[in-house]
Amino acid sequence: AQSVTQLGSHVSVSEGALVLLRCNYSSSVPPYLFWYVQYPNQGLQLLLKYTTGATLVKGINGFEAEFKKSETSFHLTKPSAHMSDAAEYFCAVTPEDSSYKLIFGSGTRLLVRP
Amino acid sequence: SAVISQKPSRDICQRGTSLTIQCQVDSQVTMMFWYRQQPGQSLTLIATANQGSEATYESGFVIDKFPISRPNLTFSTLTVSNMSPEDSSIYLCSVELANYGYTFGSGTRLTVV
Repeated sequence: AQSVTQLGSHVSVSEGALVLLRCNYSSSVPPYLFWYVQYPNQGLQLLLKYTTGATLVKGINGFEAEFKKSETSFHLTKPSAHMSDAAEYFCAVTPEDSSYKLIFGSGTRLLVRP
Repeated sequence: SAVISQKPSRDICQRGTSLTIQCQVDSQVTMMFWYRQQPGQSLTLIATANQGSEATYESGFVIDKFPISRPNLTFSTLTVSNMSPEDSSIYLCSVELANYGYTFGSGTRLTVV
């Protein structure tokens, strides 16, 4: 069965430091991959997505992610963390037997220290 | 991207009662999705709702507990029936938009007491 693994339920960085949130997936076919952000008491906002084409995907708020098929990874990065980046981040993938629903990872809470 | 309006945004309900959550989209969409996010956890798909047909439920979710309506291409409701404290969660609706991906409503935060 398809799955998404997010390493680290909590990640803490200093303001201005590099943000790296890890996501690995299992799939025997090329997947569609997504990163979402959830701010406290809010719904989910799409940060970026990979479907086909360029493997380095740029999203909103300075985030980007690179699809690495050989490593089955889709890690999310941002060069310089801002206090407003503190939130929950979810990686998601479309399952092999369907392209119309999402399987989510367990989420990573990003904490940004002043 | 589409705007999804979901209501109520939050509610506190007595056990044994039912709550109906509404989801309105500002454009016509073929499929609407209902997710549950239990406290401190990730999102789990409850069911997929197509207009004019029965909803398709994921493993672990049944129609008697989570009846869904989809009367037209812009609207859907999810009912949480005979609630217990274990149903306390955030419930979110979602739609897929071509060239954009999946958009989510702001969620309904349900507390069952």
